[in-house]
Formats: sequence, C-alpha cells, structure tokens
Amino acid sequence: AQSVTQLDSQVPVFEEAPVELRCNYSSSVSVYLFWYVQYPNQGLQLLLKYLSGSTLVKGINGFEAEFNKSQTSFHLRKPSVHISDTAEYFCAVERGGGNKLTFGTGTQLKVEL
Amino acid sequence: DAGVTQSPTHLIKTRGQQVTLRCSPKSGHDTVSWYQQALGQGPQFIFQYYEEEERQRGNFPDRFSGHQFPNYSSELNVNALLLGDSALYLCASSTLGDSNQPQHFGDGTRLSIL
Repeated sequence: AQSVTQLDSQVPVFEEAPVELRCNYSSSVSVYLFWYVQYPNQGLQLLLKYLSGSTLVKGINGFEAEFNKSQTSFHLRKPSVHISDTAEYFCAVERGGGNKLTFGTGTQLKVEL
Repeated sequence: DAGVTQSPTHLIKTRGQQVTLRCSPKSGHDTVSWYQQALGQGPQFIFQYYEEEERQRGNFPDRFSGHQFPNYSSELNVNALLLGDSALYLCASSTLGDSNQPQHFGDGTRLSIL
C-alpha cells in the first residue's frame, strides 16, 4: 500500500516570495508522483507529474518539483508566488498504469500582499 | 474538447435516502474513477470502472455502488445515506495503461446530508 504525508497543513507566504510545499511518500513498489491544485469550489487540476527520467520536473504556472528517491520526497517549489496561487495543493502517488491515486491531506497555500 | 463533466453540481438529501451522481469522461478516455473528498481532507478513492466493470475498489461499504455505460459515462450510487456521506464527490477519467495521461478531474458534486 502507498501513503502520502503533507506535513504542512497551511503555508502563508508574501507575494513574490519563494515557497516550498513538502510531500513525503511511502511505497513498497515504484510509483508515479503528482501534484494537483484545487481552487475553491473546483475540482483538481494537474500541476506536474513525475513518471521517470529527470528528477526535476517542471509544471504549469511556474511550479516545479524534485523527486528524491533516497528521501522518498517530492517537494513542490515556486521561486516567486502570486496572489492567484492561493489554493489547496495535493500531492498524490499512483502505482502506475491507471491505478488509483492516493492523496495527501493537502496544504493550503495563502499568498498575502 | 470537453473535459470531465459531472452532474448535478450540488445536491441536498436527508439521512436514509439514496442518491445517484453522474459523470461523463473526457473525450478519448475509457476509465472512470470516483473519489470522495470530505471537508478539509484529501480525496479518497472509492472505485474505478473500465469496460463496464468495477476494476478496483477502495475501503468503502457496499452502500456505494457504481455503473459504467457503453459510452464510458458512469454513475455513482449511494444508498441509506448517512450524515458522514456529506462530501465533494469527484470523478476522474483516464486511459487505462497510458501512464503519460494522468487522471483528469471534474469539478465535482457537492452532496449535503441533512
């Protein structure tokens, strides 16, 4: 079975500052890793994914994440946040091939002026 | 190209009733998964349908059932509703076996149980 831990339930940050949202996972098999964003009253939108290859993955809206196999982490980063980045962010793992996604509990990113 | 569409967007029911939620997958997708997202939580996997059969199931009671139609659309049925069933129900579609195509989510149905 897989599990995902997002240690930070809330992350406040000022506009134009950098941010890192942490994600750790556990799995006995190789997994695919994802970050999704959820704006209020909406579904989930894919930010980026790691399937294999380069451990640094670039996604939409200037976000990137780095896969670290030894630390079983997949932290999300953005060098300069905008007010519009305020949302809930979910890290998820999948065993691959269209299997179920296992999500973390989410991190609320609040960008302040 | 329409993405994943869900209906209705909101629903209010009372305890003991039953409910049916509907999902149309993104064009070209053949697999539909359902998730339950309680307030302040991450989505929890309910089940997945492929070729009109339940392919995988999460840790949900038999009160939760589903169906997939030949056009790949899907329904989620919940019987004997409990207060704890209040949540956002998300549908996601994908192409089975295509790892390059992650699951696409609809905007969900918000179910409130009184």
